[in-house]
Amino acid sequence: GENVEQHPSTLSVQEGDSAVIKCTYSDSASNYFPWYKQELGKGPQLIIDIRSNVGEKKDQRIAVTLNKTAKHFSLHITETQPEDSAVYFCAALATLNDYKLSFGAGTTVTVRA
Amino acid sequence: GAVVSQHPSWVICKSGTSVKIECRSLDFQATTMFWYRQFPKQSLMLMATSNEGSKATYEQGVEKDKFLINHASLTLSTLTVTSAHPEDSSFYICSLAGDPSYEQYFGPGTRLTVT
Repeated sequence: GENVEQHPSTLSVQEGDSAVIKCTYSDSASNYFPWYKQELGKGPQLIIDIRSNVGEKKDQRIAVTLNKTAKHFSLHITETQPEDSAVYFCAALATLNDYKLSFGAGTTVTVRA
Repeated sequence: GAVVSQHPSWVICKSGTSVKIECRSLDFQATTMFWYRQFPKQSLMLMATSNEGSKATYEQGVEKDKFLINHASLTLSTLTVTSAHPEDSSFYICSLAGDPSYEQYFGPGTRLTVT
């Protein structure tokens, strides 16, 4: 099955700086890679996603890059703000696997004011 | 994206009793729904996948007789934790996906505490 590894487990950044979270996956059949933000006591919220036919996608301060050859993808948050503090999860999905998502372990991001 | 609700948002029950958690899609017809369990400071663990009108498919290690899932319609799925024990205390989250759709939309979660 798919194995997704996520690093770092915790990340502390100064407000205004950038944050980068990296994930690797094992199943070459995976073709959809979403990122979720989870605030304390709430369900995960999709913040950005990328499909395997695209190398990069950007939405305002958030961007995701995908390297299919190396089987890794990254989340980039620029100009971080205190409200960006949360746990972020990467995930991978192989449509051959009944649309099941495999999640990374999560990264706790703290933005210092 | 789709709007997903869960009820209740939190529940406390005594050991040995059963608890039902509802997951509703408010604006989206979900062919497939997923149930996850999340322990504190851990990632989401998929428990089962349910398709409307058919039996749920459980992940390895998840007891199907303990966690009963009913996907009765395209907008409602329920998870019943039978004979709950303290080790079942967790955050239960549902998600739904359309057909065909890669995207999953998550509910707000239900905090279950078994005393």
